[in-house]
Amino acid sequence: DAGVIQSPRHEVTEMGQEVTLRCKPISGHNSLFWYRQTMMRGLELLIYFNNNVPIDDSGMPEDRFSAKMPNASFSTLKIQPSEPRDSAVYFCASSTRTGNYGYTFGSGTRLTVV
Amino acid sequence: RKEVEQDPGPFNVPEGATVAFNCTYSNSASQSFFWYRQDCRKEPKLLMSVYSSGNEDGRFTAQLNRASQYISLLIRDSKLSDSATYLCAVVPYNNNDMRFGAGTRLTVKP
Repeated sequence: DAGVIQSPRHEVTEMGQEVTLRCKPISGHNSLFWYRQTMMRGLELLIYFNNNVPIDDSGMPEDRFSAKMPNASFSTLKIQPSEPRDSAVYFCASSTRTGNYGYTFGSGTRLTVV
Repeated sequence: RKEVEQDPGPFNVPEGATVAFNCTYSNSASQSFFWYRQDCRKEPKLLMSVYSSGNEDGRFTAQLNRASQYISLLIRDSKLSDSATYLCAVVPYNNNDMRFGAGTRLTVKP
């Protein structure tokens, strides 16, 4: 099992540019989560999907952030336009529907907006 | 009040010491509890689930106190390799989104 796969591992972009982060969940996991981690705020849930349907996006900071899950094996998190305060590590995680066995995280995307 | 709160530490202990972390949660209807370990510049990895009856995995013991709404992690005979940040996580009742504490940083020194 390849685990949760995220790309890119690192992204450096200029303020105002569009950024797209990608995630491939573990096959058979039907829940997918996007988290953001910073020193100040810790690990924050941005949005999660069950069976490709967005369930709760209340953690998405503002309209500049959007997420999609067009199928069971792929999700994207887009920031447009990006701002320096968006700099963080973005993690994708997946789990079974119940979540009783915890989540498996991807290696994360370290985003720097300059 | 934050949903999940942890003492950020840092905890600096010598090898062989016993160290305990506590984590409190605000939603009394929470149903599932976990401890994660996160190494520097890495992703969080599941360390162990926390069951109502308490559970042990080698040198690690996790306990849940529903009445006081806290979970704990005890590490015995600590090793240098235990140095990491330990995150507690809680899943609210009838929901699937996991909420994390800010993490407790542990450094085990020779």
